[in-house]
Amino acid sequence: DTEVTQTPKHLVMGMTNKKSLKCEQHMGHRAMYWYKQKAKKPPELMFVYSYEKLSINESVPSRFSPECPNSSLLNLHLHALQPEDSALYLCASSQFREETQYFGPGTRLLVL
Amino acid sequence: QKEVEQNSGPLSVPEGAIASLNCTYSDRGSQSFFWYRQYSGKSPELIMFIYSNGDKEDGRFTAQLNKASQYVSLLIRDSQPSDSATYLCAVKGWGGTASKLTFGTGTRLQVTL
Repeated sequence: DTEVTQTPKHLVMGMTNKKSLKCEQHMGHRAMYWYKQKAKKPPELMFVYSYEKLSINESVPSRFSPECPNSSLLNLHLHALQPEDSALYLCASSQFREETQYFGPGTRLLVL
Repeated sequence: QKEVEQNSGPLSVPEGAIASLNCTYSDRGSQSFFWYRQYSGKSPELIMFIYSNGDKEDGRFTAQLNKASQYVSLLIRDSQPSDSATYLCAVKGWGGTASKLTFGTGTRLQVTL
């Protein structure tokens, strides 16, 4: 089973709102990732967690705040986003950082 | 700066034909290579991965890797309309930040009836 789940599927938020995206996997994977994907572009890496510790932050603005409460869960906290942050947010996981990544279905975010 | 290049397409093939998707990469230290399929509005789905030079077959899909030429390809035999999607090539190094996936811009495949 290579299932990564993400909630919510869709999210609409205003620029002053605070919201969170959630990602979960029960495959025992120790690496988890957040990507952002704009239309007709490839996914762009945002954050990497390895063994529940943040190992890569791709210079993402502080209005995006990741959190890894345990080895199965990954959150992305959103605050004061801009309309240009509207995108598909993808979570992925892999056994270890060097291994194959499996993507969740994504959260489609619209910032008004 | 690692680069992965793909022809954006669209690549149009008739149903039942072989579709050939190509990808070149710039970093000679790249260790592993992936093909993801992405339907419009959906997330990337892993199709194949390959680590060693040569061919790797899985059903109708064959991945080919030539590290000397820095070239990886995906062949889809007996193409079906359901294969119509964008195919993303991704490349990864080994260790530290080199373990990050670098994606190409994707090739859009259209399988026509």
